[in-house]
Amino acid sequence: DAGVIQSPRHEVTEMGQEVTLRCKPISGHDYLFWYRQTMMRGLELLIYFNNNVPIDDSGMPEDRFSAKMPNASFSTLKIQPSEPRDSAVYFCASRTAPGQGFNEQFFGPGTRLTVL
Amino acid sequence: KNQVEQSPQSLIILEGKNCTLQCNYTVSPFSNLRWYKQDTGRGPVSLTIMTFSENTKSNGRYTATLDADTKQSSLHITASQLSDSASYICVVSASGGSNYKLTFGKGTLLTVNP
Repeated sequence: DAGVIQSPRHEVTEMGQEVTLRCKPISGHDYLFWYRQTMMRGLELLIYFNNNVPIDDSGMPEDRFSAKMPNASFSTLKIQPSEPRDSAVYFCASRTAPGQGFNEQFFGPGTRLTVL
Repeated sequence: KNQVEQSPQSLIILEGKNCTLQCNYTVSPFSNLRWYKQDTGRGPVSLTIMTFSENTKSNGRYTATLDADTKQSSLHITASQLSDSASYICVVSASGGSNYKLTFGKGTLLTVNP
């Protein structure tokens, strides 16, 4: 398995533009998580899905952020409009259902977003 | 509020030396504690996972300890190598319905110099 795949790896955009980050979880994983990492705040959970259904989006900072999971192998995180304070590394992670081992989350390589 | 505090924030050591990283947590009810290694430009990768009943676990040159009474954990790195240069993140999971949710520390940035 190739692990969690994210694209693009780097994104530079101008304030006000729409940004879409993409994630392909590990096949067979029922849970998908979106995180944001900054130097100041570390890793923060934005939203997570179970079987393609959003379960908890309380970490999504504003209405400018939205996430979808149209099927078990694809998810997007969209920021519209983007702002400089959105600059961060965004990670996607996936894991199996509860009860299967320690529910280890496997992280993708991340997307480094820079909003000018 | 669940919190994980790590110290030091950063550490510089010479290749071949040992070091110990600290983690204090206030997550309740406790389920398990993990140490992740995050190389620059990569996602975190799990090093060890410990439950309440485990007080030590090793993974090669990495040894993690857990004191559930004092809610402290440490990660000891033996005979450090240049490739150990990374951020080490302590992550605690709460048990119960929210066990999907992990509380992350901000990490310790370790630099190993030749």
